[in-house]
Amino acid sequence: KQEVTQIPAALSVPEGENLVLNCSFTDSAIYNLQWFRQDPGKGLTSLLLIQSSQREQTSGRLNASLDKSSGRSTLYIAASQPGDSATYLCAGGVNSGNTPLVFGKGTRLSVIA
Amino acid sequence: GAVVSQHPSWVICKSGTSVKIECRSLDFQATTMFWYRQFPKQSLMLMATSNEGSKATYEQGVEKDKFLINHASLTLSTLTVTSAHPEDSSFYICSARDLGAGGGNQPQHFGDGTRLSIL
Repeated sequence: KQEVTQIPAALSVPEGENLVLNCSFTDSAIYNLQWFRQDPGKGLTSLLLIQSSQREQTSGRLNASLDKSSGRSTLYIAASQPGDSATYLCAGGVNSGNTPLVFGKGTRLSVIA
Repeated sequence: GAVVSQHPSWVICKSGTSVKIECRSLDFQATTMFWYRQFPKQSLMLMATSNEGSKATYEQGVEKDKFLINHASLTLSTLTVTSAHPEDSSFYICSARDLGAGGGNQPQHFGDGTRLSIL
């Protein structure tokens, strides 16, 4: 059974700092991994999707990596801004096709101006 | 891009009331949709898988008679919380994937969620 863990649970950084959020998963047969952002009381916004055959994906100031052999993914945020403050969730898809995601508990990020 | 719409976004009602939540795929067909629940400061936990034209598949510990799921069409799934009680208060969110746009390589799209508060 796939389990997803995110470290740290909370992170506070000054504006402008580069930061890394960590995600680990137990089943290396992961099909894809998706990073989401969730603002308080809101739904999920998909940030990046990495397929099992890929090692990284980039979108603007965000870069996500995937290392299946070590069971890890990282989300790198460059030049953080106060608007980046949110909870970041990673989730793994185990099989191909239409299967649900297994979520980590998230990292709550605060970027201080 | 693919969009999933969820309605209502917020519900406050008395204990014993039944509440229906709708999840629609706006520009694609979804034979399968997923329903998750999120308690405060917790992660999303899968409740059930909604299958168009057949019975939903529930996760262990989720009461199927309590949480009724109907996937009536290829674009609509509903979750009805029957005889809701305060412990059912939570954030409910649905998701779907546009398989027509590339199958399993496509991301899961989530609705904006429904915050249910039972008094």
